[in-house]
Amino acid sequence: DIQMTQSPSSVSASVGDRVTITCRASQDIRNWLAWYQQKEGKAPKLLIYAASTLQSGVPSRFSGSGSGTDFTLTISSLHPDDFGTYYCLQSTTVPAWTFGPGTHVEIK
Amino acid sequence: EVQLLESGGGLVQPGGSLRLSCAASGFTFSSYGMNWVRQAPGKGLEWVAGVGRSGESTYYADSVKGRFTVSRDNSENTLYLQINSLRAEDTAVYFCARFRLPLGLDSFDLWGQGTLITVSS
Repeated sequence: DIQMTQSPSSVSASVGDRVTITCRASQDIRNWLAWYQQKEGKAPKLLIYAASTLQSGVPSRFSGSGSGTDFTLTISSLHPDDFGTYYCLQSTTVPAWTFGPGTHVEIK
Repeated sequence: EVQLLESGGGLVQPGGSLRLSCAASGFTFSSYGMNWVRQAPGKGLEWVAGVGRSGESTYYADSVKGRFTVSRDNSENTLYLQINSLRAEDTAVYFCARFRLPLGLDSFDLWGQGTLITVSS
């Protein structure tokens, strides 16, 4: 099974800061990676798919990069509404989709 | 409006059964594969089951195989999850989620609001 890890597990940043979250796969997943944002008590929201493609309607301050085993989600300038938990999802080992453990983003 | 609406959660005793439903609207339900993803209290997301567009193909996480059955009724635009032999560790919010593309399996773009199952005596 492919294992996903994320770092950091939590981050506290100020409005306007650049925030970077890393997701690492235990084996090559090419670009079969998506990123989600989840707020407390709500459903996850798709931000990025295919490692770097921005989902329709998602602000351009979000970007994704990487391939193989190492991936990055970047928020170029943190907005007050960007708090929440961010998860990566690998989809190369169908049918066994695997989420990362999550990164909690807090606004200072 | 494009949406998914889950129902059927509740408090159930260990060993009991429950059937969750997910009503789809605003899109051609039969064109998309569908999934169930759960989240235990304070924990991360776990994919548990998926079903192809026609309902013939079904997929399960190892943690639920043999106890969970996913199905769909395209005439009713509804997805189901039958859960048997419930355990305390099945306590979670259960979300239904749509594959992003009709023929794609890469990510889930539309999610319901979730329904909570609590397994306790």
